[in-house]
Amino acid sequence: KQEVTQIPAALSVPEGENLVLNCSFTDSAIYNLQWFRQDPGKGLTSLLLIQSSQREQTSGRLNASLDKSSGRSTLYIAASQPGDSATYLCAVPGAAGNKLTFGGGTRVLVKP
Amino acid sequence: DAGVIQSPRHEVTEMGQEVTLRCKPISGHNSLFWYRQTMMRGLELLIYFNNNVPIDDSGMPEDRFSAKMPNASFSTLKIQPSEPRDSAVYFCASGALAGHNEQFFGPGTRLTVL
Repeated sequence: KQEVTQIPAALSVPEGENLVLNCSFTDSAIYNLQWFRQDPGKGLTSLLLIQSSQREQTSGRLNASLDKSSGRSTLYIAASQPGDSATYLCAVPGAAGNKLTFGGGTRVLVKP
Repeated sequence: DAGVIQSPRHEVTEMGQEVTLRCKPISGHNSLFWYRQTMMRGLELLIYFNNNVPIDDSGMPEDRFSAKMPNASFSTLKIQPSEPRDSAVYFCASGALAGHNEQFFGPGTRLTVL
């Protein structure tokens, strides 16, 4: 059974600092990995989807890397801003390709 | 596109009452997912459909929970009878079977069972 872990559970940084969010998974036979953002009381917003054949994916200040063999993904957010404060979740699909297993999330606070 | 639409956004009901949550997926998507989010258990998949057919309902907690997808643009999740431990945020998500299988989430329904 796939297990997804995100450490740390919470992170507080001053504005301008780069953010590094970690995600680990136990079964490396993944189809892809998706990073989401969730604001308090809101739904999930898809940030990046990185395919199993890719090493990294970039969107603006966001960069996600994937190392399947070690069961890890890292989300980098450059030059953090207070608006980046949210909970970030990673998720991987099951063997069928679309049944997502989520990590517990990392709650980020960027202080002005 | 308006994205995934869920209704109601908030629901407060008393124990024993029937609750029906509704979802309209993104037009053209042929996979639909129901998730539940609680502080204790995080996000859990309850059930998902491909082309309106239920594929995996192993996450449905009990027989009190049922889900239907009568057509490509509508799905319901029903709880009957509801219990206080069902209180959670219920999310619906949709995606395309082909391509990257990226999932897009609705805003959720916050359910409180008193």
